[in-house]
Amino acid sequence: DTGVSQDPRHKITKRGQNVTFRCDPISEHNRLYWYRQTLGQGPEFLTYFQNEAQLEKSRLLSDRFSAERPKGSFSTLEIQRTEQGDSAMYLCASIKLGGGSGYTFGSGTRLTVV
Amino acid sequence: QKEVEQNSGPLSVPEGAIASLNCTYSDRGSQSFFWYRQYSGKSPELIMSIYSNGDKEDGRFTAQLNKASQYVSLLIRDSQPSDSATYLCAVTGVGDSSYKLIFGSGTRLLVRP
Repeated sequence: DTGVSQDPRHKITKRGQNVTFRCDPISEHNRLYWYRQTLGQGPEFLTYFQNEAQLEKSRLLSDRFSAERPKGSFSTLEIQRTEQGDSAMYLCASIKLGGGSGYTFGSGTRLTVV
Repeated sequence: QKEVEQNSGPLSVPEGAIASLNCTYSDRGSQSFFWYRQYSGKSPELIMSIYSNGDKEDGRFTAQLNKASQYVSLLIRDSQPSDSATYLCAVTGVGDSSYKLIFGSGTRLLVRP
């Protein structure tokens, strides 16, 4: 069990470009969550998957954001036509339903849009 | 009204003292409560979970829950400079099978050597 992995750790992109982040959850964890955290704030829920099904999306998740979890394994979060307001830390977490404990977060992907 | 409220701090305590961090939440039916520690530039790390009224101790950490007052606290005994970090309170939503966490903005703790 190597924990939750996120890639890349840092991403700098120009406004208007598309970016994609990857999250590899703890093996056998059936739920995967994406959060976004800006400076001085707590993490905010974006979306979550149970196995391969995306069950909920926050109103924060505009049409420029899309997430997938093919085959219920790793997940990707894509942001199209990035804006400066997208600059944030993007966090992924996974849990096993019935495990009775809080999330384990990955190390996050810090996005800077210039 | 924010769903989970924390004083942003910083809370400054001397080394060896007890640090007391507080959190209030708005949804009376919230079931699960967590404290995360976050060092600057790092991701949150789970340090305590509590599900029923009362105290729960783990090493130097004690979590306290009072559902009637909608209040959660974290006590850190014998505070060390390495405890200096932002502490995030998180709760699960009411009747929410998604098990998504709602976070406060965090309290920054500074432990002075």
